[in-house]
Amino acid sequence: SQKIEQNSEALNIQEGKTATLTCNYTNYSPAYLQWYRQDPGRGPVFLLLIRENEKEKRKERLKVTFDTTLKQSLFHITASQPADSATYLCALDKAGNNRKLIWGLGTSLAVNP
Amino acid sequence: GAVVSQHPSRVICKSGTSVKIECRSLDFQATTMFWYRQFPKQSLMLMATSNEGSKATYEQGVEKDKFLINHASLTLSTLTVTSAHPEDSSFYICSARDTFRVGFSYEQYFGPGTRLTVT
Repeated sequence: SQKIEQNSEALNIQEGKTATLTCNYTNYSPAYLQWYRQDPGRGPVFLLLIRENEKEKRKERLKVTFDTTLKQSLFHITASQPADSATYLCALDKAGNNRKLIWGLGTSLAVNP
Repeated sequence: GAVVSQHPSRVICKSGTSVKIECRSLDFQATTMFWYRQFPKQSLMLMATSNEGSKATYEQGVEKDKFLINHASLTLSTLTVTSAHPEDSSFYICSARDTFRVGFSYEQYFGPGTRLTVT
């Protein structure tokens, strides 16, 4: 069956450092991979989308890589700030008429001042 | 842009009653909206895909007669939890895609969620 795995343990880092979150998947060939941020008691907020033919995507302090051979995406936050503390969700998207996203459990990130 | 609202944000109801949750795309049109539920420390679980002007598509294991979905316009979808029971207590979140935007991309825009508590 299709499976998505994200770092199950919470990630604690010091302010100013780079946070790296991992998303691995099996039994799936996504056309797109997306990253979202979710704060407690709120809906997810879209951050970045990367296509299967793209290796890397950047947006301000965020960077996403996508390795379809390894079936892995890495999500980086550089110069991290306490305000970056949240849960980050990885979601896979398969092109086609059935445009459902397959979601990971998320990784909780805490940036300590 | 791409704002999705949900109403109410919190609702407490008694067992056996029905609750309606509204999801609106405020500045774009969406032919498709999605309804999710999320339990504490768990991932989003897709309940159904709401299609404007047609019947919703429910995921396996989701009772369509219990979770009624209506997508009457390009900016509004509603989810009605009928005869609610305590086990229906959860965080319900809707999302939408901006399917008419030029250079359309596939990200989903989420509402803030509705916390349902059934007593």
